Amino acid sequence: ILNVEQSPQSLHVQEGDSTNFTCSFPSSNFYALHWYRWETAKSPEALFVMTLNGDEKKKGRISATLNTKEGYSYLYIKGSQPEDSATYLCALKERGGTSYGKLTFGQGTILTVHP
Amino acid sequence: GEEVAQTPKHLVRGEGQKAKLYCAPIKGHSYVFWYQQVLKNEFKFLISFQNENVFDETGMPKERFSAKCLPNSPCSLEIQATKLEDSAVYFCASSQSSDTQYFGPGTRLTVL
Repeated sequence: ILNVEQSPQSLHVQEGDSTNFTCSFPSSNFYALHWYRWETAKSPEALFVMTLNGDEKKKGRISATLNTKEGYSYLYIKGSQPEDSATYLCALKERGGTSYGKLTFGQGTILTVHP
Repeated sequence: GEEVAQTPKHLVRGEGQKAKLYCAPIKGHSYVFWYQQVLKNEFKFLISFQNENVFDETGMPKERFSAKCLPNSPCSLEIQATKLEDSAVYFCASSQSSDTQYFGPGTRLTVL
């Protein structure tokens, strides 16, 4: 069974704080690591697709890094705002088959930003 | 369309009844994926399609679950004789040339 682990499970921060959380995954057979932002009852929103070791991607105040050798990715949010409150999901796509393969998800980190 | 559409939003079935869920992928996307989220656990892959062909069905329960993607029709996921443990949110996603899978808002199935 493929284990994708996210930590912490939940996080409470004050508006303006910067925060980060972790996604750990087995590094063998790595193909790509996906990050999603998800608010309940809405569609998960794609944030990043990361494929290269050492990759760093940025979208506004959110950025992510990837280490495929040790099997982890960090997601950073700079200057958190209440509208950043959501569940952040990471998902692994393994090598083998095709590049349009299934995603294996972690359980998510629930972020709450207090005004 | 520009978004993945899923219908219905909510579905309530008595144990033993049939449930059918629909997904309209983004126009031009060839790949469709179904995921199941039970309670607040992680999304679990069920099945994927390339156009109307099953691409990967390794996550599909052997019994009671079936899925189709027919030309010019929404894709569907059908559960025959639902059980209490089938209660979950079922998400559909589609993709094309990039690796990104674009998700719909899900269908919440409640089996009583």
